[in-house]
Amino acid sequence: AQSVTQLGSHVSVSEGALVLLRCNYSSSVPPYLFWYVQYPNQGLQLLLKYTSAATLVKGINGFEAEFKKSETSFHLTKPSAHMSDAAEYFCAVTLGGSQGNLIFGKGTKLSVKP
Amino acid sequence: DTEVTQTPKHLVMGMTNKKSLKCEQHMGHRAMYWYKQKAKKPPELMFVYSYEKLSINESVPSRFSPECPNSSLLNLHLHALQPEDSALYLCASSQVGSTETQYFGPGTRLLVL
Repeated sequence: AQSVTQLGSHVSVSEGALVLLRCNYSSSVPPYLFWYVQYPNQGLQLLLKYTSAATLVKGINGFEAEFKKSETSFHLTKPSAHMSDAAEYFCAVTLGGSQGNLIFGKGTKLSVKP
Repeated sequence: DTEVTQTPKHLVMGMTNKKSLKCEQHMGHRAMYWYKQKAKKPPELMFVYSYEKLSINESVPSRFSPECPNSSLLNLHLHALQPEDSALYLCASSQVGSTETQYFGPGTRLLVL
């Protein structure tokens, strides 16, 4: 069965510091991986998607994620945090199969201190 | 344009009321979804429509009734809800295909009194 684990339910960084949000997946076949962001009282917005075309995926708002098969990881990074990055971040995985088979991690809340 | 719209933004209803949530997309997507999201939790899949036909019902109580009148619209009819049904209800759409990206709407914040 596929699953996603996000390490750290809450991450706090200073403005300008590196953002690192961790995601590990469990899958016996190559997965499709997603990072979504949810700002307070809003829906989910796609940050980026891994589809096996390239291991380093660049997304919106300066975020990127690197797929590491040996570590079964897909960590999200941003070199310099902005106050506007404060939000909830969800990692999600699908292996295909039935329509809508998107498995979410529990989420990581990112706080950015001035 | 990757916009999914939802109305209303907020809804308060009593346990005997009947109300409907609406979702619309004009991206030509033929798969649409309803999710329920409780506070500090990830979204939970409720229903999936493919080509306007219900393809997945994740054992959702019958007090929630989905409807897909055409390829752009998705409704969720609510009747006799319980206070524990209070949550953010999210609509999403995608191309048909299990690995396609889902695009989410802003959600409807529902409070059941």
